[in-house]
Amino acid sequence: NAGVTQTPKFQVLKTGQSMTLQCAQDMNHEYMSWYRQDPGMGLRLIHYSVGAGITDQGEVPNGYNVSRSTTEDFPLRLLSAAPSQTSVYFCASTKTRGAANNEQFFGPGTRLTVL
Amino acid sequence: SQKIEQNSEALNIQEGKTATLTCNYTNYSPAYLQWYRQDPGRGPVFLLLIRENEKEKRKERLKVTFDTTLKQSLFHITASQPADSATYLCALAGGAGNMLTFGGGTRLMVKP
Repeated sequence: NAGVTQTPKFQVLKTGQSMTLQCAQDMNHEYMSWYRQDPGMGLRLIHYSVGAGITDQGEVPNGYNVSRSTTEDFPLRLLSAAPSQTSVYFCASTKTRGAANNEQFFGPGTRLTVL
Repeated sequence: SQKIEQNSEALNIQEGKTATLTCNYTNYSPAYLQWYRQDPGRGPVFLLLIRENEKEKRKERLKVTFDTTLKQSLFHITASQPADSATYLCALAGGAGNMLTFGGGTRLMVKP
């Protein structure tokens, strides 16, 4: 199993540009989530999904869209990038529907810089 | 508002000693608490999970305690090794069940 994979590893955008961060898992996990990590702020939940076709907002959803058309994939879209979205983004998955009482498997991260 | 606090200053200890990291929280009643390890440039890796009705959990050289009265969890690494050097994150989950809230992490440096 490859686990949780993320592409790209690094990305530089200009303000106003759009892009999609890709996330895929091959463990047949139901729950997937996106976090951003900023210095001194810890990991903050952006969006999550408890299964294909179901998504919900986390703590900091503004400026980001998600969809879950398959169990395996959970892309994160930035429609109009802003410098405040400069961060490291992590995708994670969990075997069952609840993240609270289950181990989360994290991807390697995408480092995004918005100029 | 809900708050999770981990010591932002790095913890430096000598090899062989026990490292103790603290996770304090306020305005929160977590049902579960998790600890993760994060190495530079990598995603967090799960270490341990403890439930609100459990006082202590062990895994090899790791021990976690969970005191819901003090609103605190302690994470211990016994017989620490330089390879244990990393940032350690605590995460709490409440009744919603689908959202984990992470602390800012504490960096541990184990010197040989």
